[in-house]
Parts: sequence; C-alpha cells; structure tokens
Amino acid sequence: KQEVTQIPAALSVPEGENLVLNCSFTDSAIYNLQWFRQDPGKGLTSLLLIQSSQREQTSGRLNASLDKSSGRSTLYIAASQPGDSATYLCAVFIGGRGSTLGRLYFGRGTQLTVWP
Amino acid sequence: NAGVTQTPKFQVLKTGQSMTLQCAQDMNHEYMSWYRQDPGMGLRLIHYSVGAGITDQGEVPNGYNVSRSTTEDFPLRLLSAAPSQTSVYFCASRTNPGRNTEAFFGQGTRLTVV
Repeated sequence: KQEVTQIPAALSVPEGENLVLNCSFTDSAIYNLQWFRQDPGKGLTSLLLIQSSQREQTSGRLNASLDKSSGRSTLYIAASQPGDSATYLCAVFIGGRGSTLGRLYFGRGTQLTVWP
Repeated sequence: NAGVTQTPKFQVLKTGQSMTLQCAQDMNHEYMSWYRQDPGMGLRLIHYSVGAGITDQGEVPNGYNVSRSTTEDFPLRLLSAAPSQTSVYFCASRTNPGRNTEAFFGQGTRLTVV
C-alpha cells in the first residue's frame, strides 16, 4: 500500500530564508506527484506537478524535485515571504484500480509559518 | 475560469438529516471524485466516477451515495447524517484516471453534524 510521509510536520522560519520541505513515498511505481498549498479553512491549490519521467519542475520561487527510485520529492521555496505561510501537501498518483482508481495518496502536510 | 465549484461552503446538519453536496466542473473532465479531510488522517477517497452514468466506491464509501448524470456534475449525498461525517469534503476532477494527468480541487465544503 502506498504511504506518503512529509517531514517536518511544522516549520517556522523568518522571512527571507530558503527552505526545503520533504516528501517520501513507499511505492516508486507512480505516474506523477503533485504539490499543493492549503490555506487555513480553504481548498487545495495545485502548485507543481512532476511527471514520473521528470526530475524537477519550477514555478517562480518554487522548485520541486523528484527521485522516483528512492521515493523522495522535495519542495524548495526561495526567499520565503509571510504570504507563503500555509500547509503544503504532497500527493502521489499511481493510477490504481478498483477502490483506488484515480486516487491521490496524500501526506499529512507541512505547516509552514514565515514571520516578518 | 471556474474550474471545480463546490456548494455550499459551510453546512451544519442535525444527526439523521440528509443533504447533498454539489460539485461541478467546466473542464470537460471524465474523472471526478470526492475526498474527505480529517485532522491527522489526510484526505481519503469516498467515491469516484469515470464518466457520466459510471460511479464506484472509494476507500470510505459508507454513508454516502453519488450519481453522475452529466459530465459536469457529481453530487455527494448524505442520506442520514452522523457526527462521524463531520469533516471537510473536497471534490476533485482530472481528464481521466490514467497517467500524466493533473488533479484539480474545489474549495471544499465544511460540514458539521451535531
């Protein structure tokens, strides 16, 4: 069974720091991996999607890497800002079948606080 | 530019009441699904649909019904609400459940059952 773990569970940093959020998964047979942002009381906003054949994706100050063979992904946030404060979730997609068809396997998230 | 739209955003129900959570997408996606998000448990798949007229159970389907009469809409029904169904519900869609497709999520419905 696919299990996704995110470390750390919470992170508090001063504004301007570069930081790394970690995601690991137990089954390397994935189709893709998505990083999401969730603000308190809000929905999920997709940040980056990495296909299984890719090593990394970049969007602005965000860079996500994928090492499928070792079951790891990292989300790098450059020059963090207070507006980056949110919970970051990673999710892997394996296609699946039966009751897991199309299912995303989520980690429990990293709660990030960036203080001025 | 609507994407996935869920209504209502908030709802309080009494135990035993019924209600329908609405989900609509305007991206012509074949695959739609419902998740619930509970503290300390992450998101879990309730039901999914691979197209109009086709639905199936996910991992935690008990207490919920779904139907898919059109490509755009995928409502989730609670027939007799229970306090254990207090949760945040997310609807998601993607073009199909195959490879290399991105999932899009609605803003969620916060449901409290008292």
